[in-house]
Amino acid sequence: TQLLEQSPQFLSIQEGENLTVYCNSSSVFSSLQWYRQEPGEGPVLLVTVVTGGEVKKLKRLTFQFGDARKDSSLHITAAQPGDTGLYLCAGGRRDDKIIFGKGTRLHILP
Amino acid sequence: KAGVTQTPRYLIKTRGQQVTLSCSPISGHRSVSWYQQTPGQGLQFLFEYFSETQRNKGNFPGRFSGRQFSNSRSEMNVSTLELGDSALYLCASSSGTTNYMTEAFFGQGTRLTVV
Repeated sequence: TQLLEQSPQFLSIQEGENLTVYCNSSSVFSSLQWYRQEPGEGPVLLVTVVTGGEVKKLKRLTFQFGDARKDSSLHITAAQPGDTGLYLCAGGRRDDKIIFGKGTRLHILP
Repeated sequence: KAGVTQTPRYLIKTRGQQVTLSCSPISGHRSVSWYQQTPGQGLQFLFEYFSETQRNKGNFPGRFSGRQFSNSRSEMNVSTLELGDSALYLCASSSGTTNYMTEAFFGQGTRLTVV
């Protein structure tokens, strides 16, 4: 069974601090996506990474896909209250369904 | 363009009843996927429809079924509801024209409570 393990499950930090959350699997994925979900809303896609070792930046967010395409990380620099939410990673393989991790619930304290 | 629309937003049902949820994808998108989200299990894949055919299926009992119409709108049905079916049901729309992961756009979900 393909599983995506996300860590930590919960993270509460002060505004201005940096943080990294992780998404790990024993399976290889052809691509991996990160979503952010706010209460009462559906997940919103942040980024898709497809190449092993790929790094993508979205303002203060940096996403990295592991060399072996089994893991990924999301680093946030100078976190702001607006970054609060549930961060989900999702892995896909050709001709197969998308697998989601259970998410990291992030809370940024002002 | 208009986003993914799910109706209703909230629903309360009694054990044993059945329920039908609706999803209208983004215009031009042919793939609709359904997910169940609970605090304990996270987002779990139910099934995916593409051009009116079920293309992928998750590990849910037969009480969970779906269909897709020629206009790509999709419905999900749950029969003989159980308390454990209480969850946020999310629908995701994508072009679905490739056989690998593409960008999915989610609706706001239907919050189902079974009492």
